[in-house]
Amino acid sequence: EIVLTQSPGTLSLSPGERATLSCRASQSVSSSDLAWYQQKAGQAPRLLIYGSSSRATGIPDRFSGSGSGTDFTLTISRLEPEDFAVYYCQQYGSSPWTFGQGTNVEIK
Amino acid sequence: EVQLVQSGGGLVQPGGSLRLSCAASGFTFSNYNMNWVRQAPGKGLEWFSYISSSSSTIYYTDSVKGRFTISRDNAKNSLYLQMNSLRAEDTAVYYCARARGRGEGDYWGQGTLVTVSS
Repeated sequence: EIVLTQSPGTLSLSPGERATLSCRASQSVSSSDLAWYQQKAGQAPRLLIYGSSSRATGIPDRFSGSGSGTDFTLTISRLEPEDFAVYYCQQYGSSPWTFGQGTNVEIK
Repeated sequence: EVQLVQSGGGLVQPGGSLRLSCAASGFTFSNYNMNWVRQAPGKGLEWFSYISSSSSTIYYTDSVKGRFTISRDNAKNSLYLQMNSLRAEDTAVYYCARARGRGEGDYWGQGTLVTVSS
């Protein structure tokens, strides 16, 4: 099983700042098999990025994904008030698909 | 508009059974792979089952293998999850998710709470 470790656990930032979230895999993940999600309290997750760097439908371009091998990054260029939420990475190249434990982006 | 509407959650005793349903609309259901993901109270997301568009390929995570069964009826545009031998640790909100390709969920159901308790 591929273990995904996200860091930091909590990121305290102000609106307008840049957020950089990390996802490290215990073994290599194909770039085509890595996704990022946003989840707000009481809501279902929302797909942001698939294939490590492709934005899902309707996702603003302030969200970007990058990385390869075992190290992947989600960047939010300028935080909007609606971006404060929990973010998860997921690999779906090797069963069982696995999620990271999440990064909470909170208002500073 | 793509919609996934879930039903069938609730309270069940340990060792009991429950069947979840996920009704799809707004897209050609038979063309898409589907997944089930759950989230225990206050915890992160856990993928646990996948079914391909034709039901030819099915995966489970070890913790539910032999107890849960994923299935689909493409004629009824529906995905199902039969859960048997339920345990307290199965308590979670359960989500169905359409796979954009295989594992990445691009549309999600609203979630249904399953509580396993005596």
